[in-house]
Amino acid sequence: EDQVTQSPEALRLQEGESSSLNCSYTVSGLRGLFWYRQDPGKGPEFLFTLYSAGEEKEKERLKATLTKKESFLHITAPKPEDSATYLCAVFPSGSRLTFGEGTQLTVNP
Amino acid sequence: GAVVSQHPSRVICKSGTSVKIECRSLDFQATTMFWYRQFPKQSLMLMATSNEGSKATYEQGVEKDKFLINHASLTLSTLTVTSAHPEDSSFYICSAQVLQETQYFGPGTRLLVL
Repeated sequence: EDQVTQSPEALRLQEGESSSLNCSYTVSGLRGLFWYRQDPGKGPEFLFTLYSAGEEKEKERLKATLTKKESFLHITAPKPEDSATYLCAVFPSGSRLTFGEGTQLTVNP
Repeated sequence: GAVVSQHPSRVICKSGTSVKIECRSLDFQATTMFWYRQFPKQSLMLMATSNEGSKATYEQGVEKDKFLINHASLTLSTLTVTSAHPEDSSFYICSAQVLQETQYFGPGTRLLVL
């Protein structure tokens, strides 16, 4: 059975304090791993797609990396506006997205 | 690019009435659209998958007669909650996908059934 586990469940950072979010997965053939950001009361906003181990993608203060068992979302010098829930999802072969439970990030000024 | 809209954003209805939610891909044609439900502090739960011109595929435990899905075109899918009850109150989110690539999500619809 495909599984996605995100850690930590919640993370509080001070503005400028860099950190990483983890997404561990077990799937039968990975077609893609996705990171989304979700603000309260809104739909998820697409951030990154990663397809193969070793791949990295960056966008502003965010950088996503992928290995054969996990993905990290690195946040460098975060700002309060980065506060949101970050969702990881995997797309196994011939199946649909399986989401993790998310990491709720709070960045204090 | 890759914008998905939903309408309405919020709806309040009386128990027993039906509610229709529209999902549109504004700047691309979606081969597949998905409908999710999300409870507070929880992740997204897939309800059904729909392809244009064919019947939707519902996840286990989702009543297809209660949650009617129509995917009339490559840019429009609708979810109708029939005979809504308070337990149907939730946040409903659609997504649109092109050829098994990235899913782009709509802003969600908050349904409150009184």
